[in-house]
Amino acid sequence: DGGITQSPKYLFRKEGQNVTLSCEQNLNHDAMYWYRQDPGQGLRLIYYSQIVNDFQKGDIAEGYSVSREKKESFPLTVTSAQKNPTAFYLCASSHKGNSRFQETQYFGPGTRLLVL
Amino acid sequence: GIQVEQSPPDLILQEGANSTLRCNFSDSVNNLQWFHQNPWGQLINLFYIPSGTKQNGRLSATTVATERYSLLYISSSQTTDSGVYFCAVEDMDSNYQLIWGAGTKLIIKP
Repeated sequence: DGGITQSPKYLFRKEGQNVTLSCEQNLNHDAMYWYRQDPGQGLRLIYYSQIVNDFQKGDIAEGYSVSREKKESFPLTVTSAQKNPTAFYLCASSHKGNSRFQETQYFGPGTRLLVL
Repeated sequence: GIQVEQSPPDLILQEGANSTLRCNFSDSVNNLQWFHQNPWGQLINLFYIPSGTKQNGRLSATTVATERYSLLYISSSQTTDSGVYFCAVEDMDSNYQLIWGAGTKLIIKP
């Protein structure tokens, strides 16, 4: 079935540790996104990529890094510089990355990151 | 940048009731989307509705772009409608990023 997968479902991070969240899509979408959601809040954009080998910072990129080496994959690394990483992380994709307008976004099931 | 406000923040209804959720936005938009997040966190796109009215089963949405608001109607609510409903609009000043409201948390009691 087509869709977006995220792994792991739960992730625990120790102080000073970098961790990587996986996001894969088989929808043949050009654009991919990473969002952070804190309890009771809406989504905030961390990074997005409209095409392979290119990505842009969102509103809260500090302490995070991404790569887009393949169209299907957009992994997010939460670095030790991110001092408050506990949150729900959602990956999304949409069809036309270079379109002037946003297309409908499709979301993965999310990863919950907790700091030990 | 654009501000997005949703109301009410919380809504508790009995099964079978109808509800109206509102989304106000502070500037002109080319794109407005409604999403449903279930209690397990999965987000599903409900409507892509920059203007006009759309219907999908028991759900319908209307956006009045000139007055900067959108409404989501849920008729004959079911317990599976519970969750958080988000409105998101496209910010032309921020490279067309989606700006999200804080959501309306809907609880449907059996």
